[in-house]
Amino acid sequence: NTVMTQSPTSMFISVGDRVTMNCKASQNVGTNVDWYQQKTGQSPKLLIYGASNRYTGVPDRFTGSGSGTDFTLTISNMQAEDLAVYYCLQYNYNPPWTFGGGTKLELK
Amino acid sequence: EVQLVESGGGLVQPGRSLKLSCVASGFTFSNYGMNWIRQAPGKGLEWVAYISSGSSYIYYAETVKGRFTISRDNAKNTLYLQMTSLRSEDTALYYCARELPLAYWGQGTLVTVSS
Repeated sequence: NTVMTQSPTSMFISVGDRVTMNCKASQNVGTNVDWYQQKTGQSPKLLIYGASNRYTGVPDRFTGSGSGTDFTLTISNMQAEDLAVYYCLQYNYNPPWTFGGGTKLELK
Repeated sequence: EVQLVESGGGLVQPGRSLKLSCVASGFTFSNYGMNWIRQAPGKGLEWVAYISSGSSYIYYAETVKGRFTISRDNAKNTLYLQMTSLRSEDTALYYCARELPLAYWGQGTLVTVSS
């Protein structure tokens, strides 16, 4: 099974910061990676699909990149409403599909 | 508006069974594969099971294979997860989510396995 390792596990940030988080796959998954945002007490929400495609309604400050084994989610101008846990998901080939462990964004 | 509403969670003793349901509305349920995904308290997301639109393809996480059964009734717009031989580590909020990408999720139903 493909393991997705997210880093860092948490980040302390300020409004206006540029935030970069990473997800590393244990094997080549092409561009079959999505990114999800989960705020406290809410269901996860799709941000990025296919490694770099922004989902409908997602602000353009969210950017996904990468292919193969290394993937990045960047928030260009951090807003207070972006405080959440972010998860990557790989879905290469048939299931099992695997999530990363998450990156939690907290205010400094 | 797409809606997914889970139900059937609760407190159950180890070794017992429980069946979850997810009722879908706002889209043609029979056209989409469906997933169950869970989240243990304070932990991350874990994909659990997938069923294709016509039930031809079914997959499970290794952690539940042989104990959980995913199924669907397209006439009732309902997805199911039959869980047997439950363990304490199955305690989680169980979400249903539509296809890939997982653009639509329910609010989840909480399963607590404890004596």
